[in-house]
Amino acid sequence: AQSVAQPEDQVNVAEGNPLTVKCTYSVSGNPYLFWYVQYPNRGLQFLLKYITGDNLVKGSYGFEAEFNKSQTSFHLKKPSALVSDSALYFCAVREGSSASKIIFGSGTRLSIRP
Amino acid sequence: GAGVSQTPSNKVTEKGKYVELRCDPISGHTALYWYRQSLGQGPEFLIYFQGTGAADDSGLPNDRFFAVRPEGSVSTLKIQRTERGDSAVYLCASSASPPETQYFGPGTRLLVL
Repeated sequence: AQSVAQPEDQVNVAEGNPLTVKCTYSVSGNPYLFWYVQYPNRGLQFLLKYITGDNLVKGSYGFEAEFNKSQTSFHLKKPSALVSDSALYFCAVREGSSASKIIFGSGTRLSIRP
Repeated sequence: GAGVSQTPSNKVTEKGKYVELRCDPISGHTALYWYRQSLGQGPEFLIYFQGTGAADDSGLPNDRFFAVRPEGSVSTLKIQRTERGDSAVYLCASSASPPETQYFGPGTRLLVL
């Protein structure tokens, strides 16, 4: 069965510093990996995805994520954090191209202090 | 362009009542998904439509939950005999064709008293 783990409930970073939000996954086939962001009282917004190809994926708002097959990880990164990046971040996985549902992690709350 | 819309944004009902939640997907998207998000958790899959048919309803928790998409566009999630444990945010998403990116609506916050 597919699963996603986000080991940190909360990540605190000072504005201007680099940030990393961790994600590991488990699937039996090829993973399709996603990051979504959720602002208060808003729906999930798509940030980026990995399907195949380059292990470093670039997405919206300056975020990027690195796919590491040997470590089964897909950590979200940003070189310089902004206060406006403070939100709830979800990693998600779909198993291969024929599956339909996405399995979400429990979320990591990112807090950027000025 | 218009994104996924969901109505109502909030719904308060009493235990035992029937509720309907509506989702209007992005125009032209053939796939539609329903998820449920409880407080402090990630969204959990409920059901997936490809066109008018339910391609995967493995996430529906029990037979009180039912969803339809009669014309392959708007979908309605129906919950019978609501229970307090049904209180959650119900999210709808659509995609152009599986397995493309799913785009989410703002959700319907359901509170069962």
